[in-house]
Order: sequence, then structure tokens, then C-alpha cells
Amino acid sequence: LAKTTQPISMDSYEGQEVNITCSHNNIATNDYITWYQQFPSQGPRFIIQGYKTKVTNEVASLFIPADRKSSTLSLPRVSLSDTAVYYCLVGGGSGGYQKVTFGTGTKLQVIP
Amino acid sequence: DSGVTQTPKHLITATGQRVTLRCSPRSGDLSVYWYQQSLDQGLQFLIQYYNGEERAKGNILERFSAQQFPDLHSELNLSSLELGDSALYFCASSVAPQGQLLRDTQYFGPGTRLTVL
Repeated sequence: LAKTTQPISMDSYEGQEVNITCSHNNIATNDYITWYQQFPSQGPRFIIQGYKTKVTNEVASLFIPADRKSSTLSLPRVSLSDTAVYYCLVGGGSGGYQKVTFGTGTKLQVIP
Repeated sequence: DSGVTQTPKHLITATGQRVTLRCSPRSGDLSVYWYQQSLDQGLQFLIQYYNGEERAKGNILERFSAQQFPDLHSELNLSSLELGDSALYFCASSVAPQGQLLRDTQYFGPGTRLTVL
């Protein structure tokens, strides 16, 4: 299983761009990188997923270097409602099943 | 609303007791995952079922068991409960198609908050 490492916490002011990096040195060839957002007492919510290079959606961007040993979630112009825990998930596999490893997550605090 | 439902929302019980948590996946999803989230801890993967069969096992205690039924809903059974079992239990579902380069977004339910007194 690919183990992930993320910063435990980050603070940012409203309107700033936030970049959260996740290390996954032993990522497997078939693994995808997925980021989830979790608010207190709620289930995690999918944000973005990628395999290599850059992926962008209406919420975030995901940057993955060529060696895929890390990834960076970029949240443009954060607001107070972006205060949450962000999980980097590396998983995948063959044979139709998935082994998943959630890290400890990064607690993002957005400051007014 | 993720489309995943979990019941009950809250459960309060005593040590030594046994409880069953229920999960209904999104329509069309064949995989169900169970997670435990204790206070101040991240999500701990417990177990995964795919189309009725156990497919992956994580940090699940022997006192815990799960199953997925023909209609694809799943139940997590927790027995001989201890104070430390108090946690949020999440169920997630995904399509989990066969094959290589699996990319499978999980959709999480609202969770069941278990309190063991």
C-alpha cells in the first residue's frame, strides 16, 4: 500500500491560494491520486483525482510531477467555508478491487 | 447528498453489547467500504466488499465483522463493545469496475456516531 505524508495543519488568509502537498514515495504504477475534503461530523467529499501532470476542475487543481512521488492540491482564493481537513488518497489495483490508505489529513484553517 | 445512506445516525449503547450498522450504497455501486474515525484520528479503513465478496481488509478488529447482501446493502457488526469503540463509522460506495488502472471515486455516507458508555 502506498503510504502518504501530508502536513498536519495549515493556516491561510481568505482570498489566498493554498497549496497542500502530499508525499507518496512508493506509489504503484496503477495508483491514482485522489483528494477528499471533510468537514466536522460529515463524510469526506471527493474534490479531484489525477494520474499524472495537471488536472483542473471547478474547485481545485492537482499537480503531479513526472515521478509521481508527490502531488499538490491547489485551492484558489480560499474562503472561510474551505476550512476543513483535506485527505490525500493513493489507491488502485488490479483484479477489480481497491486497497485504500487515507493519511492523517491536513487541517486547513482559513482566517478572515 | 452523496446517495449513500446509513442508519442509524446515532447509537448509544453499553460496554459488552453488540450493534449493527447499516449502509445502502448509491444505486449502481457494487463496492462498499467501511471506515472508523475516532476523535482526533484520521479515517481508518476497515473493510471492503465488492458485489457480495470481501475484497480488502484493513485495521478491522476480530470483534467486528461485515457482510454485503445480494441487494448490495451492507452491515457492520460490532460486538463485545469497548469504550474505545466510540467513533464515527462511515460507509462509502463506488462503482469499482474491473480491470487495470482503476480509478474509483468513493462516495461517503453521513456516518453513524456510536457512543459506548
